[in-house]
Order: sequence, then C-alpha cells, then structure tokens
Amino acid sequence: EVQLVQSGPEVKKPGESLKISCEAFGYGFNTYWIGWVRQMPGKGLEWMGSIHPGDSDTRYSPSFQGHVTISVDRSTGTAFLQWSSLKASDTAIYYCARPRLQQLIVGLDIWGPGTQVTVSS
Amino acid sequence: QSALTQPRSVSGSPGQSVTISCTGTSGDIGTYKYVSWYQQHPGKVPELIIYDVTQRPSGVPDRFSGSKSGNTASLTISGLQADDEADYYCCSYVGSYSLLFGGGTKVTVL
Repeated sequence: EVQLVQSGPEVKKPGESLKISCEAFGYGFNTYWIGWVRQMPGKGLEWMGSIHPGDSDTRYSPSFQGHVTISVDRSTGTAFLQWSSLKASDTAIYYCARPRLQQLIVGLDIWGPGTQVTVSS
Repeated sequence: QSALTQPRSVSGSPGQSVTISCTGTSGDIGTYKYVSWYQQHPGKVPELIIYDVTQRPSGVPDRFSGSKSGNTASLTISGLQADDEADYYCCSYVGSYSLLFGGGTKVTVL
C-alpha cells in the first residue's frame, strides 16, 4: 500500500529548532516529488514547497523561502521539513503529499496524516 | 503571491447543485491545464477529487465535475448530499514546479 507516515506532534518554544519527517512506503521514493502543505488553525491549505528525491531539486513558495528547509534521506525514503528558529506563527498542521504522477508536482493524491506543530512560550 | 480567489462559502439543499469558482490570473489558471480540487472534512486529511481541470480519480463520484474558462476554474457538485458538507480547495500549477492553493470554500448542505 502506498502511504506516507509522518512524525508525531511537537510542542516547542519560540526560537527552538525543529525537523519533522515524512516516510514513504509502497512505491519508488526516488521517482516522485513530495510536497509540504501548511494549514494554520482554522485556515486554508498553503503550498510550502516540493522536493524531488531523485536529485534533491527543491522548489519553495516565495512565502516560505528562507524560513524553512526541505530535504530528503534517500537511504530511508524520508522527506524532512525543518526550521532553525520557530515562531508562534509556525503553529499549524503540516502535511506531506505525493502527486499522482512521476515528473509532475500536481494532483496530490497521497497525503500523510499531518504533523501538529505547536509553538508556545 | 496571493492565494487563488474562492468564495468563502456556498450552500445548497440536498439534491441541488452548487458551483465553486476559483479565480486566478493569466500566469496560473489561465495558462496551465493543471487545476486540481481537494475536499477536506473537519479534522480530516485533504482528499483529491479533481485533477487536470476535469479528471476524477478512481472512486470519486461523477457528481463532482470540474471546468475552466479563462482565468477561472470551477467545481460543480450535483445532487448535493449531506456528506458533501466540507471545505473545498482549488490548486493551480504556476510554473517552475510550484503550486498555489485557493483560500478555500465551505460548502453547507441546508
């Protein structure tokens, strides 16, 4: 079964660093883009960026460029989203998602369950 | 980069049809055929219901249909059912392997 398994909820303080994960199962990890999507409390979906595990080609939304880093570990089939210094406004659910076709980033048909990140002093 | 524009809410009675618009620009919806729609029930993970403007993934009822004209895409739900009550998001490819979501529309079944 194709699935994305995300790491568990996190509670952090402002200024702390964080790295959350998204492990892929059931398909060739290196052949599909993986995207990250933010959903702030009570708000809509926002595309943060995508990465192609095969060559680590990474694209960021202008809104998130410089604020987060997307990476992969091909040996474990895992994608990561990380922050070096969290802010309270980073409190959100973060989803990873895979598109339906290789070579495309559109049509996200496989979603992880989401990781709740709470940043509070 | 501003979100694609969707109405905040639409409503309809069971059996009726509702249409959700998603307005972009000539740089996104107006240029690319890669518009998708997602349904999200409260507390649940988003689900792809339309891709490539008009295509439905396997298992999605044909009551859901998509279209596009110029810079505006639309999702129509026909024969509205109670379980259709959810948030709906459009999403467009904007070039350079990048995406843009709409602000979301809450569908209420009266």
